Amino acid sequence: NAGVTQTPKFQVLKTGQSMTLQCAQDMNHEYMSWYRQDPGMGLRLIHYSVGAGITDQGEVPNGYNVSRSTTEDFPLRLLSAAPSQTSVYFCASSSQGSGTGQETQYFGPGTRLLVL
Amino acid sequence: DAKTTQPNSMESNEEEPVHLPCNHSTISGTDYIHWYRQLPSQGPEYVIHGLTSNVNNRMASLAIAEDRKSSTLILHRATLRDAAVYYCILSQASQGNLIFGKGTKLSVKP
Repeated sequence: NAGVTQTPKFQVLKTGQSMTLQCAQDMNHEYMSWYRQDPGMGLRLIHYSVGAGITDQGEVPNGYNVSRSTTEDFPLRLLSAAPSQTSVYFCASSSQGSGTGQETQYFGPGTRLLVL
Repeated sequence: DAKTTQPNSMESNEEEPVHLPCNHSTISGTDYIHWYRQLPSQGPEYVIHGLTSNVNNRMASLAIAEDRKSSTLILHRATLRDAAVYYCILSQASQGNLIFGKGTKLSVKP
């Protein structure tokens, strides 16, 4: 299993440009999520999905869109990039399992984004 | 959301045990205590989790206080590869999301 994969690894954008960060998992996990991590900080939740066709907002959703058309893929779209979106973005997945709070999350390697 | 408190940083010598503390005084009865770590330039990875009893796995041990208001992650013999930021997180039932704090940055000296 490849686990959770993210592309691209690095990206430089100009203010106002749009782009899509790709995330895929091959573990048949229902739950997927996107986090951002700013320097010296913990991760903050942007959007998450509990299954194909179902998405919801996290702590910092403004400026980002998501959709979940398949179990495997969960792309994150930046509609009009701003310097404040310069960050490292991590995708994660887990099985919903028992829904008891025991589920382990698996993280991708991250996408480093610089917005000029 | 229930919160956790961890020291910002800790230092250890190689091949010595490390005890990483975490306070979670507002924990609810159904919250699991999870530990993740983040190696430099990598995504977080799962370390261990528990509810009430102490837990052991190949990576670490988790000691949970009897009142569950604190816990300690124990690395039995620190290696240079254990240098990372360690996050203590409370995971609530039916909630898939993890709420990350700033964690504890562990440095390991040779």
